[in-house]
Amino acid sequence: SQQGEEDPQALSIQEGENATMNCSYKTSINNLQWYRQNSGRGLVHLILIRSNEREKHSGRLRVTLDTSKKSSSLLITASRAADTASYFCATDGAAGNKLTFGGGTRVLVKP
Amino acid sequence: DTGVSQNPRHKITKRGQNVTFRCDPISEHNRLYWYRQTLGQGPEFLTYFQNEAQLEKSRLLSDRFSAERPKGSFSTLEIQRTEQGDSAMYLCASSLAGQGNIQYFGAGTRLSVL
Repeated sequence: SQQGEEDPQALSIQEGENATMNCSYKTSINNLQWYRQNSGRGLVHLILIRSNEREKHSGRLRVTLDTSKKSSSLLITASRAADTASYFCATDGAAGNKLTFGGGTRVLVKP
Repeated sequence: DTGVSQNPRHKITKRGQNVTFRCDPISEHNRLYWYRQTLGQGPEFLTYFQNEAQLEKSRLLSDRFSAERPKGSFSTLEIQRTEQGDSAMYLCASSLAGQGNIQYFGAGTRLSVL
């Protein structure tokens, strides 16, 4: 079963704009990760945030985590056409265990 | 490091046939995972190995499904007596202990059961 929900389910923006997507989860977590998936391909890890962290940056990515609300957000700044993909949050309860994914946000960046 | 490799990339089979998929993880990774993904959904966990030991299986993994990792390297996932509901993308991932459970995914095997 899915751990939580992602919002919005789909997002369409112009190149250069920022894209923000949110993820909610249900149970206590150890880490939360974000992955990207291009159509029909495998997933690529983007960024990991630990349960004791509140914000993390990597290049054009900014992730926040609010464990009291059981939610996370991913911000992609200055989007590019190549950012067109589905984005998934994934949680785990202990290192080495399964990842539980949300339903994903499909992002379309128009040139 | 050639990444996680999955074969075949596509498999079309008739209902009732058996199919087997193979996953070759990143060579030094001791953990290997199988997930299933249907269209428009996130991946769902099936099973997980640490070295050759199968440590966790999802309730999704009915008795028609079996996974092995005999020498702690490559893994196979077999589905017996396939059903149309088995049609999905089967994803394999690997990870190395101590790296925060960051998983590296293969491109997947897309199964179509006719």
